[in-house]
Amino acid sequence: DTGVSQDPRHKITKRGQNVTFRCDPISEHNRLYWYRQTLGQGPEFLTYFQNEAQLEKSRLLSDRFSAERPKGSFSTLEIQRTEQGDSAMYLCASSATLQATEAFFGQGTRLTVV
Amino acid sequence: DAKTTQPNSMESNEEEPVHLPCNHSTISGTDYIHWYRQLPSQGPEYVIHGLTSNVNNRMASLAIAEDRKSSTLILHRATLRDAAVYYCILIRGGQGAQKLVFGQGTRLTINP
Repeated sequence: DTGVSQDPRHKITKRGQNVTFRCDPISEHNRLYWYRQTLGQGPEFLTYFQNEAQLEKSRLLSDRFSAERPKGSFSTLEIQRTEQGDSAMYLCASSATLQATEAFFGQGTRLTVV
Repeated sequence: DAKTTQPNSMESNEEEPVHLPCNHSTISGTDYIHWYRQLPSQGPEYVIHGLTSNVNNRMASLAIAEDRKSSTLILHRATLRDAAVYYCILIRGGQGAQKLVFGQGTRLTINP
């Protein structure tokens, strides 16, 4: 399978703990995006990378959130001191060259903070 | 970003055509109209996009009004697998793939 893969698929954590999610984009895709989706809502943009550079961050991305994409390949999203409001599906997407118009999404990581 | 408006939900029967509307009255001349859909427990997937002319692909057709202020996604023969939330999104052209701004979309139910 050469699609976008995310790990883990599900994560249950206690409030106050740190969690880290991983996204492996489609090989050769230079853009990588993170989104968050709560129940009944459409996905909300969090941040995106072009290669290893983080080019845009949403106001939704508080200072407890950090994302990295070392070497422009896989990416990690870390949430520190989790809160119950962080419970959501975290989606990763990737896209190819600047002329590409289609983004490919992974299946997401569902986070539950108890 | 230009905004899109879609009905919250629609219902259709299996093997019948489905027309999903989208209004985008503030669309600019360089905005492309994209459709994505999200099946239950899946990430969104690309369906189709267009600028001015109607478009067809293996999944669906996109009909764009002459003034571009509205568009319709057409599923020619719906199957149970087409039950999903459908999102209509405008993307500024000339800037390559960009972040997607999702609304609440239309939840499509297909009756057997």
